[in-house]
Amino acid sequence: GDSVTQMEGPVTLSEEAFLTINCTYTATGYPSLFWYVQYPGEGLQLLLKATKADDKGSNKGFEATYRKETTSFHLEKGSVQVSDSAVYFCALSHTGRRALTFGSGTRLQVQP
Amino acid sequence: GAGVSQTPSNKVTEKGKYVELRCDPISGHTALYWYRQSLGQGPEFLIYFQGTGAADDSGLPNDRFFAVRPEGSVSTLKIQRTERGDSAVYLCASSKDENTEAFFGQGTRLTVV
Repeated sequence: GDSVTQMEGPVTLSEEAFLTINCTYTATGYPSLFWYVQYPGEGLQLLLKATKADDKGSNKGFEATYRKETTSFHLEKGSVQVSDSAVYFCALSHTGRRALTFGSGTRLQVQP
Repeated sequence: GAGVSQTPSNKVTEKGKYVELRCDPISGHTALYWYRQSLGQGPEFLIYFQGTGAADDSGLPNDRFFAVRPEGSVSTLKIQRTERGDSAVYLCASSKDENTEAFFGQGTRLTVV
């Protein structure tokens, strides 16, 4: 079955540092890939997505590129802020089956 | 309301009891999803409704779990004979249709003691 593997957290960075959160997946065919974010006290929110190989999703300074050759969708941001502190989830879904398969989440803590 | 609303936000119940968890989706959203999130894990899919019907219930762990959406809006997740292992945050999400972004509620934290 499908699965998503994320790097374990917490990831602790200083403000303005470069962020990478690794995500790899196992799936048949060509799934769509997503990053969701959960800020403290809030529900899960879609951060960005990519629906085919080599697509780059971007939002709020975050980027991730769909790499089919390495089955990866790593999340990056050039300069993190304290307000980016949250839990980040990588996920995938297939056309025709709308259920999302999530990774276990990575907690990011950004210190001033 | 503006977002997906789940009630109650917290529920503590005794082992063996029956519980109902409610989800009010965003108005006009035809697709509705239930997920379960255990501590330290990502959400796991339970069931997906398109309108009133369950289009995919492959994630329900066993026959103690059941969900309904009788009028195509509000949904109720029902758990019979609760077990301590059912303790988790139950998340509901809705989307305008099956091809658009799903919006999540804040979840119901269920604790079985």
